[in-house]
Amino acid sequence: GENVEQHPSTLSVQEGDSAVIKCTYSDSASNYFPWYKQELGKRPQLIIDIRSNVGEKKDQRIAVTLNKTAKHFSLHITETQPEDSAVYFCAAENTGGFKTIFGAGTRLFVKA
Amino acid sequence: NAGVTQTPKFQVLKTGQSMTLQCAQDMNHEYMSWYRQDPGMGLRLIHYSVGAGITDQGEVPNGYNVSRSTTEDFPLRLLSAAPSQTSVYFCASSWNAGAGGELFFGEGSRLTVL
Repeated sequence: GENVEQHPSTLSVQEGDSAVIKCTYSDSASNYFPWYKQELGKRPQLIIDIRSNVGEKKDQRIAVTLNKTAKHFSLHITETQPEDSAVYFCAAENTGGFKTIFGAGTRLFVKA
Repeated sequence: NAGVTQTPKFQVLKTGQSMTLQCAQDMNHEYMSWYRQDPGMGLRLIHYSVGAGITDQGEVPNGYNVSRSTTEDFPLRLLSAAPSQTSVYFCASSWNAGAGGELFFGEGSRLTVL
């Protein structure tokens, strides 16, 4: 089955700096890659996603890149703000397989 | 729309007791799933359902049962609770089952097994 690895587990940045979170997946049939943000004590919520026919997607300060050959994808947050502090999860889904498999999460701290 | 509603929010059980976590959604989503969240381990899929009457196992199904008699409801049953089942449980639903779509999560249920 699918296995998703996520690094780093903890990331601390200064406000205004960029943050990068990296994930690798094992199942070459996976073709949908969402990212979820979970604030303390809250439910995970989708912030951006990418499909395997696209190499990069951007939404304001966040962007995701996908390298299908290497089976890895990354989340980039620019101009970080204190409200970006949260746990971020990457995930992979083999559409048709009905399973969304998550990475272990990255706790991001943005210091003001 | 209430979205995805989970009850109870908190529960304490003794080892060997059974209980049911309730999950209901009012978005007419065909796909529903249960995850457990443990520190350092992310969200792990327990069971999922692609429609009424259809369920299947996820990554960590042992010790849990599910059923899907209606589109709206997807209860998770712990048959004989063990301390290893202490966790936060999230129910999620999606309109785009199997085609890559956003998961909408409930608020979570924190379970402690003594």
